[in-house]
Amino acid sequence: DVKVTQSSRYLVKRTGEKVFLECVQDMDHENMFWYRQDPGLGLRLIYFSYDVKMKEKGDIPEGYSVSREKKERFSLILESASTNQTSMYLCASSLATGGNGYTFGSGTRLTVV
Amino acid sequence: EDQVTQSPEALRLQEGESSSLNCSYTVSGLRGLFWYRQDPGKGPEFLFTLYSAGEEKEKERLKATLTKKESFLHITAPKPEDSATYLCAVRSHDAGGTSYGKLTFGQGTILTVHP
Repeated sequence: DVKVTQSSRYLVKRTGEKVFLECVQDMDHENMFWYRQDPGLGLRLIYFSYDVKMKEKGDIPEGYSVSREKKERFSLILESASTNQTSMYLCASSLATGGNGYTFGSGTRLTVV
Repeated sequence: EDQVTQSPEALRLQEGESSSLNCSYTVSGLRGLFWYRQDPGKGPEFLFTLYSAGEEKEKERLKATLTKKESFLHITAPKPEDSATYLCAVRSHDAGGTSYGKLTFGQGTILTVHP
């Protein structure tokens, strides 16, 4: 069964900490995406990557960075966590053409205190 | 800029009471409309892709239809296990012709089916 795996289901971090969220896919997909999901705001795109070492800003990149050193792994980095980054973070992957849409991970619920 | 609006925000049904969810969209050139189901605390799960007006897809009690401006997700004789948030998303051509498969999501409809 093909999968997108996010390393943690729940995380609690302190304000100012550097936070790493990891995502691994086993489908040999070219594209990978990071979204955050908040009540009333829906899914908002943070960053995406269409190839190894390539990245593009999404709609809300401020306060975040990403890394894609290998095709199967896409990491989201919160440089200095803040309470307004408390959210559900969803990783997704897709084929280069986007055919068949995304496959999502199970999500990471991050709480910043 | 692509826009997706889903309605209603929340829908409460009795078991067996059929209804429809709406997804209105504005895109520069549609390259696919996607429906997902999301259970609480989990990632969205793919349901359907529609590509052109008039197209329909079915899966169990769900049927998705597409026009040039909107899509409907029809739920026939729903059961409590159909309770979830249903997300609609679109993929379009961007100005440079390469969208990298990015999807723009609506805010979702929370469906609750009571026994």
